[in-house]
Amino acid sequence: GAGVSQSPSNKVTEKGKDVELRCDPISGHTALYWYRQSLGQGLEFLIYFQGNSAPDKSGLPSDRFSAERTGGSVSTLTIQRTQQEDSAVYLCASSQTSGNQYEQYFGPGTRLTVT
Amino acid sequence: AQSVTQLGSHVSVSEGALVLLRCNYSSSVPPYLFWYVQYPNQGLQLLLKYTSAATLVKGINGFEAEFKKSETSFHLTKPSAHMSDAAEYFCAVTMNTGFQKLVFGTGTRLLVSP
Repeated sequence: GAGVSQSPSNKVTEKGKDVELRCDPISGHTALYWYRQSLGQGLEFLIYFQGNSAPDKSGLPSDRFSAERTGGSVSTLTIQRTQQEDSAVYLCASSQTSGNQYEQYFGPGTRLTVT
Repeated sequence: AQSVTQLGSHVSVSEGALVLLRCNYSSSVPPYLFWYVQYPNQGLQLLLKYTSAATLVKGINGFEAEFKKSETSFHLTKPSAHMSDAAEYFCAVTMNTGFQKLVFGTGTRLLVSP
């Protein structure tokens, strides 16, 4: 079946612009996660959704970052007033539910470059 | 808080040789442990996971890992490396209660030479 998809695959933006990154989880997966992978910081957790609510936003690095999930499916990560340090690969993952024994399936990521 | 340490940012082996990638964890409660593989320009794929059942866990592509509580380790092994194993490997830990984020190690890049 279809895996986790993310769009766009690559995004180049100018410093100060807003960007939206999209994640389509595997159908039926109720849990959705955003991670960021950067050279300096490795793989970092950003936010977790269970259904449409976000019980854990502790990884969002600043108030310029926000995310929402609608209909228990698609999620959008928005970065406002982008900075060069936001350049990274943003990975989305989904799992059947929020139990830690359930595998998180990762999408291919969105590579964000802020110039 | 949980954390994992992966020893060696790069590991080089010859095709057919043993692969050993090291991971040590720190957790105040019994952990769940995972190994993920990432091929170039792709997302992460789960190789195997330890969730407090058998301590020797077998995964895909001939990989296995052994949970050793006394050594707080979860090293990844494969008896015979294949060229297609060249990738980056991440160890990750989470708690076994409720939801906790995956905490990843810094990754080990496996290089396989002919």
